[in-house]
Amino acid sequence: EDKVVQSPLSLVVHEGDTVTLNCSYEVTNFRSLLWYKQEKKAPTFLFMLTSSGIEKKSGRLSSILDKKELFSILNITATQTGDSAVYLCAVGWMDSSYKLIFGSGTRLLVRP
Amino acid sequence: DTAVSQTPKYLVTQMGNDKSIKCEQNLGHDTMYWYKQDSKKFLKIMFSYNNKELIINETVPNRFSPKSPDKAHLNLHINSLELGDSAVYFCASSENPRLSNEQFFGPGTRLTVL
Repeated sequence: EDKVVQSPLSLVVHEGDTVTLNCSYEVTNFRSLLWYKQEKKAPTFLFMLTSSGIEKKSGRLSSILDKKELFSILNITATQTGDSAVYLCAVGWMDSSYKLIFGSGTRLLVRP
Repeated sequence: DTAVSQTPKYLVTQMGNDKSIKCEQNLGHDTMYWYKQDSKKFLKIMFSYNNKELIINETVPNRFSPKSPDKAHLNLHINSLELGDSAVYFCASSENPRLSNEQFFGPGTRLTVL
């Protein structure tokens, strides 16, 4: 069965800390890996990764994919309280149709 | 302008009732989806439509019936609501997945069945 596993399930840090969120997957018909941030409402898109070893960066956030070992990490440096959210990892599965298979998320709380 | 919108945002109803949730996207996307997010924040695909045609139906009870009157709209009708249907339902849309995998999510509809 296809699955996406995220760790840790939750994390509490202080402002200024650096965090690393993990996502491993076992998915047939892998097409891409996506990271979303979910605060109170809709998940908002952060990154999409399709190639191994190429880091994607946006401000203090960065992510990389390893297609051989089947995992991805999301790094957040110099965390701020506004980074508090649930971070969702999803794998794009494509055959004749397409869907996202989500992990259960990592709940990050950044304390002042 | 809202890209993906859903109505209502909140829905509280009794067991056994029938209810509908509406979704509209103004992004010109071909593909729309319904996801269910349970209390543990686990998001799971329910349905996917491409140009009004059903292409994914993920082991969802047939009390749930999606309807796509045109490619900008995907509504979800639920018959005979049960307690276990309580969740947040998200609509999403994307371009043709062969071109882009990013999905844009609506704000969600929190359904509470009493």
